[in-house]
Amino acid sequence: DAKTTQPNSMESNEEEPVHLPCNHSTISGTDYIHWYRQLPSQGPEYVIHGLTSNVNNRMASLAIAEDRKSSTLILHRATLRDAAVYYCILRENQGGKLIFGQGTELSVKP
Amino acid sequence: ETGVTQTPRHLVMGMTNKKSLKCEQHLGHNAMYWYKQSAKKPLELMFVYSLEERVENNSVPSRFSPECPNSSHLFLHLHTLQPEDSALYLCASSQDYPSVGQYFGPGTRLTVL
Repeated sequence: DAKTTQPNSMESNEEEPVHLPCNHSTISGTDYIHWYRQLPSQGPEYVIHGLTSNVNNRMASLAIAEDRKSSTLILHRATLRDAAVYYCILRENQGGKLIFGQGTELSVKP
Repeated sequence: ETGVTQTPRHLVMGMTNKKSLKCEQHLGHNAMYWYKQSAKKPLELMFVYSLEERVENNSVPSRFSPECPNSSHLFLHLHTLQPEDSALYLCASSQDYPSVGQYFGPGTRLTVL
């Protein structure tokens, strides 16, 4: 499975945008880019996924580089409730195994 | 409410005990999963069931024994565990297997003394 690289931690201020980067230089043509997050004391939850085009949903936006070797999860206005570990995961053909890395721990300051 | 519930939320057991973790999903999904999350380690997939048949078993020691009596319920039977088995055990479900999204429960925090 192709590997992803994320910063261990990031800080943000409340109500400001947050850009969480992910590098996946060995991504294959059939790998989808998924993001999950894990709030404290909870199981992971699905955030967003995409293949080539940028994607938007009610939780976040996903910006995918043209060469697909990197992507960025964008939280448009961070809230205290967005403090979590964010995982960038490559999945073969959308439904392949979820293989979690260490993720990025996002802290949000009031 | 995620639609996936797990009981108990916390469990402390000795190495000679036998206990079971329970997971129930109320989403009408056909696939269920067990994951293990140890401190400072990534989540590890343990088992996958699709339509009550085991489809993945990722080199998990035999002291962990899963059971899926129907598509809504998943158990993880534990016996003669080791202290290094202490971890957060997460259950998840998805519409089918494979599937785009997985819905996770809150986990059971297991401590083995």
